[in-house]
Amino acid sequence: DIQMTQSPSLLSASVGDRVTINCKASQNINKYLNWYQQKLGEAPKLLIYNTNNLQTGIPSRFSGSGSGTDYTLTISSLQPEDFGTYFCFQHNSWPLTFGSGTKLEIK
Amino acid sequence: EVQLVESGGGLVQPGRSLKLSCAASGFTFSNYGMHWIRQAPTKGLEWVASISPSGGSTYYRDSVKGRFTISRDNAKSTLYLQMDSLRSEDTATYYCATAGPGFDYWGQGVMVTVSS
Repeated sequence: DIQMTQSPSLLSASVGDRVTINCKASQNINKYLNWYQQKLGEAPKLLIYNTNNLQTGIPSRFSGSGSGTDYTLTISSLQPEDFGTYFCFQHNSWPLTFGSGTKLEIK
Repeated sequence: EVQLVESGGGLVQPGRSLKLSCAASGFTFSNYGMHWIRQAPTKGLEWVASISPSGGSTYYRDSVKGRFTISRDNAKSTLYLQMDSLRSEDTATYYCATAGPGFDYWGQGVMVTVSS
């Protein structure tokens, strides 16, 4: 199984900050990596698919990058509504696996 | 508007069965693979099972193989998850979701609690 190691687990940042969240796969996932945002009591929302494709309707301050085993979600200028928990998700091979999540708090 | 609506959750004793349904609308259901994904209380997301658009291929995580069965009825635009021999560790909110690059929609989730 591919393990997804996500870091940090907790992140506190201020409005306007540049924020990065990382996911490291235990083997090459060929850029089949999605990023989700989840708010309490809600279903996850897709932000980025296949490493660097911005989902329709998602603000351009969100971006993704990476290749091989290392992937990054970047929020270029943090907004108050960006609080929540972020998950990476690999869909390169079965079983599909999620990262353990990054809880983003706004200072 | 794409909608996925799960139903069939509830409280069930260990060892018993439950069948979840996910009614889809607003898109051509038969064109898309589908997932079941779960989330235990205060925990992260865990992929459970997937099915191809035709239903001809299915995939499961090891911990549910032989106990859970994913299926679909394309005529009814409905996805199912038959859960047998339920265990306490299956307690979670279960989400159905579409599987497609960029075509990613989730239901609101349905709670399954396995407890005596």
